[in-house]
This record gives sequence, structure tokens and C-alpha cells, in this order.
Amino acid sequence: AQKITQTQPGMFVQEKEAVTLDCTYDTSDPSYGLFWYKQPSSGEMIFLIYQGSYDQQNATEGRYSLNFQKARKSANLVISASQLGDSAMYFCAMREGGRKNFNKFYFGSGTKLNVKP
Amino acid sequence: NAGVTQTPKFRILKIGQSMTLQCTQDMNHNYMYWYRQDPGMGLKLIYYSVGAGITDKGEVPNGYNVSRSTTEDFPLRLELAAPSQTSVYFCASSPLRTGRGETQYFGPGTRLLVL
Repeated sequence: AQKITQTQPGMFVQEKEAVTLDCTYDTSDPSYGLFWYKQPSSGEMIFLIYQGSYDQQNATEGRYSLNFQKARKSANLVISASQLGDSAMYFCAMREGGRKNFNKFYFGSGTKLNVKP
Repeated sequence: NAGVTQTPKFRILKIGQSMTLQCTQDMNHNYMYWYRQDPGMGLKLIYYSVGAGITDKGEVPNGYNVSRSTTEDFPLRLELAAPSQTSVYFCASSPLRTGRGETQYFGPGTRLLVL
């Protein structure tokens, strides 16, 4: 079974509008972390935001927020006020490690976001 | 602070050739990882290491080998290159978990073409 599922291969959003990128995860580990990364066309991986499995509040980092619904095992990324520079691939990732003494990350297949002027 | 560095940036290999992708981090991180990213896809874990002298297989280890003799270096060895190994390879590192999230820090990637 896929550990991380991103069901939107590509999305378009109008500049200055908000957009939600979907991510669902699968784990039986009670302790895990969820991450979102941005990969622009230049190829580097840029960390955006983190949500811990025990965090009570949704994470926010500037224009990025994470809509964490633990019971549904979803961790959607919300980008507010989209900018042209937000056009990129976005990857959701999960780190398990509660029972095991190492950090192992799983990545989704990504969502390509295009921001239209 | 250089972070995670990878060499080379780009390489063309002939089928059957071997090569080593270099990865170095200067953040004293315990954990290091090698991923491959095929076109339009996410990252798949090849090998990882939890410290010097300790390595283990990830999702797609076939055709690769690693070693970790120091904290800083984590080279990836390709033996008998095949066209299926054409990909972008990312090295990453992360510190020990502290109870709060610690992301991985990625290198710039190595683009490998096997012809």
C-alpha cells in the first residue's frame, strides 16, 4: 500500500487566489511527522512546512498552512494568495520512526502547480 | 555553511560502466539518505544510514551500494550501469529526532544519463 498518496497530478490556480493540494497518508505508527516540499523547475527540494502527529494545532508558515485531519489521515497544503513563483512541483512526505530508531521518509508522487497571471 | 553537497552535477554513463556519486554534509547529521527521482515522479529511497558504519536498504536498492565510513560522507556506488538507472539522484541528511519535526536537508542533485 502507498504510504503517501497525492491524487492531483496537476493543478491550475489564478494568481492571488488560494489553492489546496491534497495528501493522504497511511501508517500504523502513532508517532509520525508530515512534511511538504516545493521543487521548482531548477530541481532543488525546498522544505515548506511540518506537522507532527501529536500537534493539536494546524501548522502555519507564512502563506502556507497545513490542514491536518488525523482521523481521515489527510495533510493538505493550503497556499494562500498564490504568486507566480509558487509554480512548482509539491511533494508531501511522511516520517515514521516511533518504534524504530531511525528517520525513514516516504514521499508522494507530487502535484504540479501552475499559477496563472 | 555548505550544507549537503553532491558531485558530479551531471554525468553520462555507458551501459555497464560504474561510477560513484559523492555526497558530503557539514552539519554533523547522523542520518543520511540516497533517493532517486525519475521524471515526473516522487522520490524513492535507495539506501540510508543512521551513522558511520551503519547502512540499510530502502525501497529500490538493486544495482547500488553504499558505505559510510565517516559522519560526513555517504557515497553511492553504481555497478554495471543500466538505462533504468537514468534518473536524478538526491542525497539528504537529517539530525537525530528531537521530539519536534526536523526536516531533511537536500543536496542539489546529480543528473545521471545511462546510454
